[in-house]
Amino acid sequence: QLQLQESGPGLVKPSETLSLTCTVSGGSISSSSYYWGWIRQPPGKGLEWIGSIYYSGSTYYNPSLKSRVTISVDTSKNQFSLKLSSVTAADTAVYYCARVSGLEAAFDIWGQGTMVTVSS
Amino acid sequence: DIQMTQSPSSLSASVGDRVTITCRASQSISSYLNWYQQKPGKAPKLLIYAASSLQSGVPSRFSGSGSGTDFTLTISSLQPEDFATYYCQQSYSTPIFTFGPGTKVDIK
Repeated sequence: QLQLQESGPGLVKPSETLSLTCTVSGGSISSSSYYWGWIRQPPGKGLEWIGSIYYSGSTYYNPSLKSRVTISVDTSKNQFSLKLSSVTAADTAVYYCARVSGLEAAFDIWGQGTMVTVSS
Repeated sequence: DIQMTQSPSSLSASVGDRVTITCRASQSISSYLNWYQQKPGKAPKLLIYAASSLQSGVPSRFSGSGSGTDFTLTISSLQPEDFATYYCQQSYSTPIFTFGPGTKVDIK
C-alpha cells in the first residue's frame, strides 16, 4: 500500500534553510485525485499545516509561513520537497508529509515524521 | 482565515466512559471537517472525514456529527487504546487547511 517517508537533516543552523524530501512508494504522486502536504508539530504543541502541492506543481502555503516556504514536486522520482528559509528555534519541530485525499480533503496517509532541530 | 477551536483542551476519563469532544469553526464550513487521533511519538491517524464518515478500519465506537460551525467527536465506550490527543481539521478552504489546537484524553 501507499507509504510516505520523510528524509533530510535533523539539525539546521539558525538563519539557514531547512530542506526535507518526502518519497512516495506503492503508488504514483501524479494521480489527479490527491494533493500532497507538509505539516509540522513543535515539541509538546499542536499540528500546523505548512503547505500543499498538486502533481501539476500548483502550490498553496500557510499565510503565516508563505514568505519563507517553497514546496516542489519531482514526479520522475515520486517525491515532493519542502524548503523553509531563515529558520529560527521556533521552527524546531517534527515535520510530517501526508497525502490529501478526496473531496473532503482529509490527510489520510502520513509519513512517520522527522524531527528537525534548529540550533547552532 | 478560518480559525478552529476545540473544547475541552484536555479531559480525564475512565475505560468505558462516553467521551465527547467539540470543535468550532470561526465561520460556516458546511461538513468539511475531519478528525484525527495522535498517540505520543506517532503520526496522526484519520478517524472521521466529512464530519461524520468513518475512515476504513476505524472502530465503530468513534462517531462524528455536526455541520456549519459546530462539530462533535464521540467515543461511545472509551477503550485503553483511545487515550490520545484528538485534532479537528477544516477543509472548507481547500487547498488551505487549518487544524484545531487538540484535545488530550487521559486516564482518570
